[in-house]
Amino acid sequence: DQQVKQNSPSLSVQEGRISILNCDYTNSMFDYFLWYKKYPAEGPTFLISISSIKDKNEDGRFTVFLNKSAKHLSLHIVPSQPGDSAVYFCAATNDYKLSFGAGTTVTVRA
Amino acid sequence: EAQVTQNPRYLITVTGKKLTVTCSQNMNHEYMSWYRQDPGLGLRQIYYSMNVEVTDKGDVPEGYKVSRKEKRNFPLILESPSPNQTSLYFCASKPGGGIYNEQFFGPGTRLTVL
Repeated sequence: DQQVKQNSPSLSVQEGRISILNCDYTNSMFDYFLWYKKYPAEGPTFLISISSIKDKNEDGRFTVFLNKSAKHLSLHIVPSQPGDSAVYFCAATNDYKLSFGAGTTVTVRA
Repeated sequence: EAQVTQNPRYLITVTGKKLTVTCSQNMNHEYMSWYRQDPGLGLRQIYYSMNVEVTDKGDVPEGYKVSRKEKRNFPLILESPSPNQTSLYFCASKPGGGIYNEQFFGPGTRLTVL
């Protein structure tokens, strides 16, 4: 039973606009959340994280929002660029095991 | 260059033929882990290791073995592979000292079991 869910398998966005990726989790014990980005034929690379004591973390064009009461987090990419076209995985942990969502494929259109 | 390496990158084998996928990291990380990626399921953790000689099961350990005899290496062993182990496998590592740091992933090994 997946504890981390990304219900949108794909997202298409125009270059320059905002991309919003969503992630829901069921385990209320999770206290650290991460987003990874994956290009074809490569391993996932870390993008941004947030701990449960915060509700927002920003790094350049990437912002992650956490709503603990709703068990929901989102990743905002502003502005979207062609190089952002990739698969994005949401992940969560409260110990040394990491649970991933199924991923969302983002396509940035010129 | 700091990295996690996996070998082989691609492997086609037959049911029941034992195989090993190697993983090595040059960052002196205490923690290492193996994942498999399947369509619609994302990455699922197979085994992880907190340090040398310390390993523990992830969410999908059945059919796999691991060992951690040296800090830098964490091989994944399939004693008797079956077709349902056809998947994309990733090794990862991270520093010890807590959960609040990210894992670094290798490039992946695509395994096909016929």
